[in-house]
Amino acid sequence: NAGVTQTPKFQVLKTGQSMTLQCAQDMNHNSMYWYRQDPGMGLRLIYYSASEGTTDKGEVPNGYNVSRLNKREFSLRLESAAPSQTSVYFCASSYQGDQPQHFGDGTRLSIL
Amino acid sequence: GESVGLHLPTLSVQEGDNSIINCAYSNSASDYFIWYKQESGKGPQFIIDIRSNMDKRQGQRVTVLLNKTVKHLSLQIAATQPGDSAVYFCAEGDGGFKTIFGAGTRLFVKA
Repeated sequence: NAGVTQTPKFQVLKTGQSMTLQCAQDMNHNSMYWYRQDPGMGLRLIYYSASEGTTDKGEVPNGYNVSRLNKREFSLRLESAAPSQTSVYFCASSYQGDQPQHFGDGTRLSIL
Repeated sequence: GESVGLHLPTLSVQEGDNSIINCAYSNSASDYFIWYKQESGKGPQFIIDIRSNMDKRQGQRVTVLLNKTVKHLSLQIAATQPGDSAVYFCAEGDGGFKTIFGAGTRLFVKA
């Protein structure tokens, strides 16, 4: 039972490049989330998916898009990466809403 | 805007002692509160939560206390062990999906 799996673990991009961060959970959870974690700050919600087929903006959605591919998978896309998007990105899931209970180990993304 | 904060950025305790990590919150409408543990290079790990209609909840070696009068939350860890060394942060929510997280307190356990 892997829980929440994120790929890749590390990535370096140049400004303007695009990429997709992958997330999958095997706990049959309904809700999934994408957060970013920056030094000295709490986790900030980028997007969430309350259930399969729905997605909604969080606190800091600008520059990102998401896709809830199926119940298991929730991807985050950066269309044109900017240095301000350098961060650690965490995917999380929960059985039903409000409290993100299970987190992946993060993707460390650097944009030059 | 509403925010969740911590009183101490770092806490150093002797192995075997009890640890107390504090958190202040500002949204009186928050319905639930959560403590997470984050080890270096890992994702946050859910420790314990408490609803606003409670003032105390106990888990294995951990106790969370909620004082709504002064908007204060604390996490007590009994008999602190080296494996407890990590960053701990609190979070609050109002029943929706947009949980607000504090920045965290780093706990060092001295052997």
